[in-house]
Amino acid sequence: DVKVTQSSRYLVKRTGEKVFLECVQDMDHENMFWYRQDPGLGLRLIYFSYDVKMKEKGDIPEGYSVSREKKERFSLILESASTNQTSMYLCASSLLESLNTIYFGEGSWLTVV
Amino acid sequence: QKEVEQDPGPLSVPEGAIVSLNCTYSNSAFQYFMWYRQYSRKGPELLMYTYSSGNKEDGRFTAQVDKSSKYISLFIRDSQPSDSATYLCAMSQTGGSNYKLTFGKGTLLTVNP
Repeated sequence: DVKVTQSSRYLVKRTGEKVFLECVQDMDHENMFWYRQDPGLGLRLIYFSYDVKMKEKGDIPEGYSVSREKKERFSLILESASTNQTSMYLCASSLLESLNTIYFGEGSWLTVV
Repeated sequence: QKEVEQDPGPLSVPEGAIVSLNCTYSNSAFQYFMWYRQYSRKGPELLMYTYSSGNKEDGRFTAQVDKSSKYISLFIRDSQPSDSATYLCAMSQTGGSNYKLTFGKGTLLTVNP
């Protein structure tokens, strides 16, 4: 059974803080993704990685960076958190050539105050 | 025109009803079509995946794609309270290494016992 684990489910951070959201998958997937989900806006892709140390910008990369030092781990970094980054963040993974089998984690709820 | 349009609902039905959930899209290059189910405060889980036009059945769920009308549907037969969730459609131009999944905003479904 594929497992995508987001270590922090609920976080409250202050404006200006550096925030790390961690994601680990256990199925040896090449692709990993970070999305944010907001009411009325749906799911929006922040960053994507298809290999270790490789990353591609998604639709809304501004204010975010990512790190993929190991195949199973993909981190999302908010360099200086702002209130408009309050959202649910979803990590996902898939095999390189199987976009139809994208698996999501349970989500991380981030509130920036 | 938005790339993918999905009626947000909410949709409320009695237990046992047949439910029809729909998405329309504008990009004729989409070939792969997916339906995800998302329970409250959880990540989306893949329900159905279809390629090009046609029907696919899995238990109580049927996915239908009409590429000529740019319209996809998910039917749920004998709906159960456990089907209460948000349903997201998603689509992509290729099933391979193209990472770009385009999501609808989701339809909130409640099945009343």
